[in-house]
Amino acid sequence: GDSVTQMEGPVTLSEEAFLTINCTYTATGYPSLFWYVQYPGEGLQLLLKATKADDKGSNKGFEATYRKETTSFHLEKGSVQVSDSAVYFCALSNSGGYQKVTFGTGTKLQVIP
Amino acid sequence: GAGVSQSPSNKVTEKGKDVELRCDPISGHTALYWYRQRLGQGLEFLIYFQGNSAPDKSGLPSDRFSAERTGESVSTLTIQRTQQEDSAVYLCASTGYNEQFFGPGTRLTVL
Repeated sequence: GDSVTQMEGPVTLSEEAFLTINCTYTATGYPSLFWYVQYPGEGLQLLLKATKADDKGSNKGFEATYRKETTSFHLEKGSVQVSDSAVYFCALSNSGGYQKVTFGTGTKLQVIP
Repeated sequence: GAGVSQSPSNKVTEKGKDVELRCDPISGHTALYWYRQRLGQGLEFLIYFQGNSAPDKSGLPSDRFSAERTGESVSTLTIQRTQQEDSAVYLCASTGYNEQFFGPGTRLTVL
């Protein structure tokens, strides 16, 4: 079945550091890939998405590129801020059959001043 | 409303009682999902609805959990004889344009 593996946290970075959160997936067909973010005390929000190979999703300075050859969708940001502290979830939605979304276990990011 | 809504936002109950959680999806979204998120953990899939049928119930943790949906609208998740380990945030999501939209969740606390 479909699965998503993302790096375990917590990840602690200083403000303005470079961020990478690794995500790899296993899926049949041609899934769409997502990053969701959950800020402290808030609900899940879609951060960015990519629907086909080589697409780059971007939002709020975050980027992720759909790499079919390595089945990866790593999240990156060049300069993190304290306000980026949150839990980040990688997910996929398979276009075959019903669009069940499979989530990774989440990576907690803490940015310190 | 424009988004997914859930009620109640918070529910505190005593062990052994039954609870019912409600989800109102975005109008027109045929797919609806229930997830559970325990404190500090990821999302645990419970059940998926397509219209009013549930082709995937594989995530329901026990027969104390059940869910139903009326047409392509409201869904209710029922937990019977609640246990302390049922304490979690229960999230509902509906799908449109290949994207899941989440409700704010119901925080369930079983004393």
